[in-house]
Amino acid sequence: QKEVEQDPGPLSVPEGAIVSLNCTYSNSAFQYFMWYRQYSRKGPELLMYTYSSGNKEDGRFTAQVDKSSKYISLFIRDSQPSDSATYLCASHTGNQFYFGTGTSLTVIP
Amino acid sequence: NAGVMQNPRHLVRRRGQEARLRCSPMKGHSHVYWYRQLPEEGLKFMVYLQKENIIDESGMPKERFSAEFPKEGPSILRIQQVVRGDSAAYFCASSPPGGVRGYTFGSGTRLTVV
Repeated sequence: QKEVEQDPGPLSVPEGAIVSLNCTYSNSAFQYFMWYRQYSRKGPELLMYTYSSGNKEDGRFTAQVDKSSKYISLFIRDSQPSDSATYLCASHTGNQFYFGTGTSLTVIP
Repeated sequence: NAGVMQNPRHLVRRRGQEARLRCSPMKGHSHVYWYRQLPEEGLKFMVYLQKENIIDESGMPKERFSAEFPKEGPSILRIQQVVRGDSAAYFCASSPPGGVRGYTFGSGTRLTVV
């Protein structure tokens, strides 16, 4: 079983839609959870960083962690064409980060 | 303030040749991490280094791959006798000591083995 599982999509939505991206993880020791955005031919860039359970909001982005079900989510409100990218969920323990395979998102104008 | 710099951006090697990938961490970052990204497989951890020390190489293949982070100069990921299966994007990330939130990725080196 992979440490972090993510539906690869692809996901295609119209501009202005609410996007929900989801991951599950298997390691109960994970406490820190991240969402990265990766544009084509670029390195991942950190979008959201959360600790333990709960919600964290930053502009149009909300990260949600439910440790009881080992489920992490990223919501994007009022999605824009510039949000089109691959979104990677991740967690870490010790020195290693564990990444999901990424969900490819396209926002259609 | 330059970010994590990786070079070359693209590297083509014939089977059996050596590939050398370079990573200069962000200013003030002393920790370097290498990852490999294959299509539909996501980012896979390879190795974690600090200056002159390999801290965790549990993700490195046992043969042909090595990494270093010398006292001076960039971190180097070396792949000897490359095979087609080594074709991938290799990303370097750096962070300050104890600063997981400052974990920053470079733009990657795309290695193609022909």
